[in-house]
Amino acid sequence: DQQVKQNSPSLSVQEGRISILNCDYTNSMFDYFLWYKKYPAEGPTFLISISSIKDKNEDGRFTVFLNKSAKHLSLHIVPSQPGDSAVYFCAVPGKGTYKYIFGTGTRLKVLA
Amino acid sequence: NAGVTQTPKFQVLKTGQSMTLQCAQDMNHNSMYWYRQDPGMGLRLIYYSASEGTTDKGEVPNGYNVSRLNKREFSLRLESAAPSQTSVYFCASRRGDSNQPQHFGDGTRLSIL
Repeated sequence: DQQVKQNSPSLSVQEGRISILNCDYTNSMFDYFLWYKKYPAEGPTFLISISSIKDKNEDGRFTVFLNKSAKHLSLHIVPSQPGDSAVYFCAVPGKGTYKYIFGTGTRLKVLA
Repeated sequence: NAGVTQTPKFQVLKTGQSMTLQCAQDMNHNSMYWYRQDPGMGLRLIYYSASEGTTDKGEVPNGYNVSRLNKREFSLRLESAAPSQTSVYFCASRRGDSNQPQHFGDGTRLSIL
């Protein structure tokens, strides 16, 4: 039973346009959400996070939106750059544990 | 500024061989983790250590053992490797506070023939 789902395995976007990556979760008790970015042959690196008390968090070209009623979060990258081509994972800290739950990832390709 | 260091980066084993993957962090983090990444499966937690001296099973612990040697080091052992354990293994650490992001090593690519 996947508690965190990324339903799009891949996404291609033209350079300069917006990239939107989506993530759905099942547990309404989750209160913090993170996005990680992973390049080939490297480990994931933390990108941006959001607390459930907010519905938006921005960091430069990256914005994460949280829709609690829909149990949905999205990562917007504007404008997209070729260097953004990577796999993006959403993740949630499991309640009351030290565990993190990761989605299956979305591979973004930004075309020059 | 090493962060999380994993050794080796690549390894090929024969079925039945044993192997220990090493992980060390220099950020004075309390909790450490081992994940495996397989195509279409995302990152699955094998074992974790919330603090020095404790270890707990994650989602997919079968066939693995771990040792939290000290605060810095957390090793993963395959006692009798199986082809199903062919994967990329990532070690991560975290300060220990809830909601803090994990810091990952660059992975060990392991092939079992």
